[in-house]
Amino acid sequence: LAKTTQPISMDSYEGQEVNITCSHNNIATNDYITWYQQFPSQGPRFIIQGYKTKVTNEVASLFIPADRKSSTLSLPRVSLSDTAVYYCLVGDGGGGFKTIFGAGTRLFVKA
Amino acid sequence: EAGVAQSPRYKIIEKRQSVAFWCNPISGHATLYWYQQILGQGPKLLIQFQNNGVVDDSQLPKDRFSAERLKGVDSTLKIQPAKLEDSAVYLCASSSPGTDNKLFFGSGTQLSVL
Repeated sequence: LAKTTQPISMDSYEGQEVNITCSHNNIATNDYITWYQQFPSQGPRFIIQGYKTKVTNEVASLFIPADRKSSTLSLPRVSLSDTAVYYCLVGDGGGGFKTIFGAGTRLFVKA
Repeated sequence: EAGVAQSPRYKIIEKRQSVAFWCNPISGHATLYWYQQILGQGPKLLIQFQNNGVVDDSQLPKDRFSAERLKGVDSTLKIQPAKLEDSAVYLCASSSPGTDNKLFFGSGTQLSVL
């Protein structure tokens, strides 16, 4: 099973760009990289998913180098409402037992 | 589109009592998951259903936990008897190949065992 490693916590200020890096050294050939966001008292919410290179949507960008052993979630111009826990998952894109949630990265955005 | 519905939102029980949680997934989602999330940790998968069949329940403590999805739609997770260490948020999620297998989570049931 592919294990992921993320920073435990990060601090930022409003308006800054935040980059959260996730390491997944034993990622399998058919694994996707998926990021979820979780606010207190809510279930996680899908942010973005990618396989290689760069993926961008209205919320974030995901950068994946050629060796796919790491990935970086980029949040442009964060606001106070982006304060949350961010999880990096590696697996087939679904929630099966081959996809494991780690402890996530607690992002705290300050005014 | 309605999201994943869970009830109750909160539950407080004493140890050795029983408790049940209910989940109604997004319409048309064949896959349903139950997760346990202990404070400060990421969600841990307990069981996965595909329609009304169990795909994998290897991490479900079967001596006290049970789950069913009889008609392939709603699901119930039960704990009997509860232990102090069962205090956690129980999250239900569903997914569909039609949405790239993304997980859609409910808001969870927060269980406190005293």
